[in-house]
Amino acid sequence: GAGVSQSPSNKVTEKGKDVELRCDPISGHTALYWYRQRLGQGLEFLIYFQGNSAPDKSGLPSDRFSAERTGESVSTLTIQRTQQEDSAVYLCASSSDRGGYEQYFGPGTRLTVT
Amino acid sequence: GEDVEQSLFLSVREGDSSVINCTYTDSSSTYLYWYKQEPGAGLQLLTYIFSNMDMKQDQRLTVLLNKKDKHLSLRIADTQTGDSAIYFCAESWYGGATNKLIFGTGTLLAVQP
Repeated sequence: GAGVSQSPSNKVTEKGKDVELRCDPISGHTALYWYRQRLGQGLEFLIYFQGNSAPDKSGLPSDRFSAERTGESVSTLTIQRTQQEDSAVYLCASSSDRGGYEQYFGPGTRLTVT
Repeated sequence: GEDVEQSLFLSVREGDSSVINCTYTDSSSTYLYWYKQEPGAGLQLLTYIFSNMDMKQDQRLTVLLNKKDKHLSLRIADTQTGDSAIYFCAESWYGGATNKLIFGTGTLLAVQP
């Protein structure tokens, strides 16, 4: 079946502009995660959605970052007033249950802020 | 704290075994994972081990877990050039209603022909 997909694959934006990144999880997966990977570093947790529960936003680095998910479908990560330090690969993952034993990752969106 | 540590680089010859090491912090982690990331690609889940296990073998991959020392290793037998990639270990973290993975910084495995 189809894996996790993300769009766009690459995004170049000017400092100060807003960007929106999209994630389509694997169908039927109730849990969805966003992570950020800066160059040469591991992944940082950003936000977690589980079904219709309130999301865990504890990893969002500032109030310029927000994310939404409608039900158990698509999620969007929005970064307002982008800064150069926001440049990174943003990865989305989904898993089939609350335990999240197997998180399947999308290919990521590479964001470059100039 | 939430620090998962890995060595940055490992170089091996094709056909040799590779051992990638990781230390994690949370003794209550239920699952520990190994992911592979090839250049320009997303993360591929290679294997994971439940915390009440000492070892898990899956074809060329062997995972060893020393829970007392919070040490995890991944052994790749008969390493091939296609195994060249960055390998991330990760521990699961559960808290209240949340669930996330804490990743190490990754180990770059370079396989010399």
